[in-house]
Amino acid sequence: SQQGEEDPQALSIQEGENATMNCSYKTSINNLQWYRQNSGRGLVHLILIRSNEREKHSGRLRVTLDTSKKSSSLLITASRAADTASYFCAPTSNTGKLIFGQGTTLQVKP
Amino acid sequence: EAEVAQSPRYKITEKSQAVAFWCDPISGHATLYWYRQILGQGPELLVQFQDESVVDDSQLPKDRFSAERLKGVDSTLKIQPAELGDSAMYLCASSSSITDPWGGELFFGEGSRLTVL
Repeated sequence: SQQGEEDPQALSIQEGENATMNCSYKTSINNLQWYRQNSGRGLVHLILIRSNEREKHSGRLRVTLDTSKKSSSLLITASRAADTASYFCAPTSNTGKLIFGQGTTLQVKP
Repeated sequence: EAEVAQSPRYKITEKSQAVAFWCDPISGHATLYWYRQILGQGPELLVQFQDESVVDDSQLPKDRFSAERLKGVDSTLKIQPAELGDSAMYLCASSSSITDPWGGELFFGEGSRLTVL
């Protein structure tokens, strides 16, 4: 299916450490997107990486994409307590249909 | 900054009652999505509109759920009758560029939290 599967399900780190989350998928994609969701709120788009890109940066975020392995990773460097949230990946085809997995719940301890 | 508006923010209802949620997407966004998110799980796509047409409603429980976007702008999601298992967050999102193979960023509203008693 087009659904992305995030790993690990839960991650707990200390403030200042790096956090790495992984996403695997099964179909061909046009791009892959990462979203963040704070508790009780809507999802917020973080970054989009196209299928012909291998790495992309945005502030403290670094995303990689390996289409041969059908996997992506999201790295948050120098994490802050405010980064505590759930993170979802969404592999996207040209239908515009985004199917989310269960997400990775990140807790950053002060 | 333009936002996706949703109402109500919270809704408590008794089972077998009817409930409706409203969404106003970002102006000019042709694609509108309704998702359902049960606590602790990821969002589940219920329906996707392109303008006023349904593109995908394969996961919409059509015996009790209905969705419309009559003029291709705002949208309403209705549940009748509500069941205990419908307790969830209902999220609306919009996008301007599903036809762009490199685009497709979704903008989400804050959601409508439904509790069915």
